[in-house]
Amino acid sequence: DAKTTQPTSMDCAEGRAANLPCNHSTISGNEYVYWYRQIHSQGPQYIIHGLKNNETNEMASLIITEDRKSSTLILPHATLRDTAVYYCIVRVASEQFYFGTGTSLTVIP
Amino acid sequence: GAVVSQHPSWVICKSGTSVKIECRSLDFQATTMFWYRQFPKQSLMLMATSNEGSKATYEQGVEKDKFLINHASLTLSTLTVTSAHPEDSSFYICSVTGQGPMIIAKNIQYFGAGTRLSVL
Repeated sequence: DAKTTQPTSMDCAEGRAANLPCNHSTISGNEYVYWYRQIHSQGPQYIIHGLKNNETNEMASLIITEDRKSSTLILPHATLRDTAVYYCIVRVASEQFYFGTGTSLTVIP
Repeated sequence: GAVVSQHPSWVICKSGTSVKIECRSLDFQATTMFWYRQFPKQSLMLMATSNEGSKATYEQGVEKDKFLINHASLTLSTLTVTSAHPEDSSFYICSVTGQGPMIIAKNIQYFGAGTRLSVL
């Protein structure tokens, strides 16, 4: 079962930062937060993951609250190609992924 | 990054026939392979997990005899949909965890592009 709650959909203006929230209030100490996205009719693409600390890579930033009960994925300058469904997944490193319903992000020109 | 190849990308078959889908890790060795199914406008549903040389572990509700998984090598897993029926029409996606210089972290799953199965 998915252990996360995400808004069903969001819009973001092109060029602006997209902030995608995820609630994972029952997260345990050894569970990581992973973010993937799925562009229509393609396989999911890994974006970023973290355990406690905030993380940044070339695609995005991940902000995890101090109590670890929620996180935010930040796409700093959204482009039209960032339109996709974004999945937040919480799991122990060695376990399977169980996908929730995700957030459908639409970047508007 | 790590590349996972899935073949075919699209297949149409007649009801009652069997369809085989291949999943390969191209530039790294696979530790574990996963198979998912996705119906239109729904999320991915994990079907099974497989490790090289051992039997796949199926999720509850997934028929083992219907969806045959063979993980014969460190880079190849196959999913065979046996006696396919229209209700098996779906998007099938594999993913892989592995090791090698292209891998960011050992428990990150790298996904194939998916196979769209249409059963007539």
